[in-house]
Parts: sequence; structure tokens; C-alpha cells
Amino acid sequence: EAQVTQNPRYLITVTGKKLTVTCSQNMNHEYMSWYRQDPGLGLRQIYYSMNVEVTDKGDVPEGYKVSRKEKRNFPLILESPSPNQTSLYFCASSRIGAGEKLFFGSGTQLSVL
Amino acid sequence: ELKVEQNPLFLSMQEGKNYTIYCNYSTTSDRLYWYRQDPGKSLESLFVLLSNGAVKQEGRLMASLDTKARLSTLHITAAVHDLSATYFCAVDTGANSKLTFGKGITLSVRP
Repeated sequence: EAQVTQNPRYLITVTGKKLTVTCSQNMNHEYMSWYRQDPGLGLRQIYYSMNVEVTDKGDVPEGYKVSRKEKRNFPLILESPSPNQTSLYFCASSRIGAGEKLFFGSGTQLSVL
Repeated sequence: ELKVEQNPLFLSMQEGKNYTIYCNYSTTSDRLYWYRQDPGKSLESLFVLLSNGAVKQEGRLMASLDTKARLSTLHITAAVHDLSATYFCAVDTGANSKLTFGKGITLSVRP
């Protein structure tokens, strides 16, 4: 089954404790992206990647890192999480090209205490 | 900076009636997407609109795009409870496949 898999679904952590949210897709998509969703703000892009070893900042990259060592994986790293990073995070992937729709993962609800 | 605005942000609909929701955006684009999100769930693609005048329909939903007005509409025919969800539009300016999302419109269908 074609899917984008994120883990974990829920995560509670404390300020400053490094964490990684994993994302994997099995559709051989070139493009992958991370979004955060906050009430009243919609989805905002954190980072994206057009292919292996190619990543770039989205609209809200501060406090986040990503890597794309393999085509299928695009982990999101929070080196020193802070409470303002409490949010619902979505990973998404697609082929590159006009009209290629994004496939979203199930989301990760992160709480930073 | 591209801005994508959706209105209204919340709409209470009566079963059986017709409604239209709107998405407008601030820069030139002929690529617009509609997504649906059920409470506590992920986003699911509904429509992809790729040119001026494009119209797509599925079931009770019909989406259209007017690139000159920078406006997309999502028309709901005879609303039913199953359509209760949050609907996002997203605009692609063609730069690195980047999508900019609106804040979403939450639709609630009441009997």
C-alpha cells in the first residue's frame, strides 16, 4: 500500500531534550516536506527536499533540522525543543511536477513541556 | 510573499442546502489544490486545478479556478453530514513545488 509513515504519533518531551520524528515513504517520490499545523494558522512549511542530499528551508525553519540521506526517509530533528514547538507535525511527499498532489503522513502530535 | 486566504473560517451548514466557500491568493498561479482534513486525521487530496477555468467535480463537491481573479471556489450541493471536515486550499507558485496553504475552513453540517 502506498503510504507516508510517520513515527511516533504522539510524543511528550521536555525542553532541551533532542528528539527525532521519522518519516518514510514507499512511493519513490522525489519531493518530501515537513509542515506544522497550529490552531488558527493552518499548515506552515518547515523544510522540504527535492531529492537526496537536497534540502531547503520553508517558512518556519528555526529550531529544526532535516536530512535526506536516502530517497525514502526524511527525518525531522529538534536539537533543543522548546514549548513553542508544541504542534501537530505532518510529513508529506509527492512526485515533482505540475499537478502532483501531496500525500500526507498521519501526523505527530508533539508536546514540549 | 504569497498569501492564501480562505473564508469563511467556519461555516455551519444545514443538511440539504447548497453552499460555496472561497479561496483567494495574492500572486500569479495556475496551480491550486484542495485538501480535506477530518478531525484528528491527516490531509487527503480532493482536487487539483491546473488552469484558468478548470472545474473538477466529485460527488457533492465542485471546485473551480479563476486565475485572473486569483480565486477558487468550492461549491457544496445538498450538504450531508459526511462533508463535515476542514477544507484547505493550497497554491503552488511553481517555485520548487512549494505549496502555501490557507488557514482552512471548518464545515459543520447540522440536521
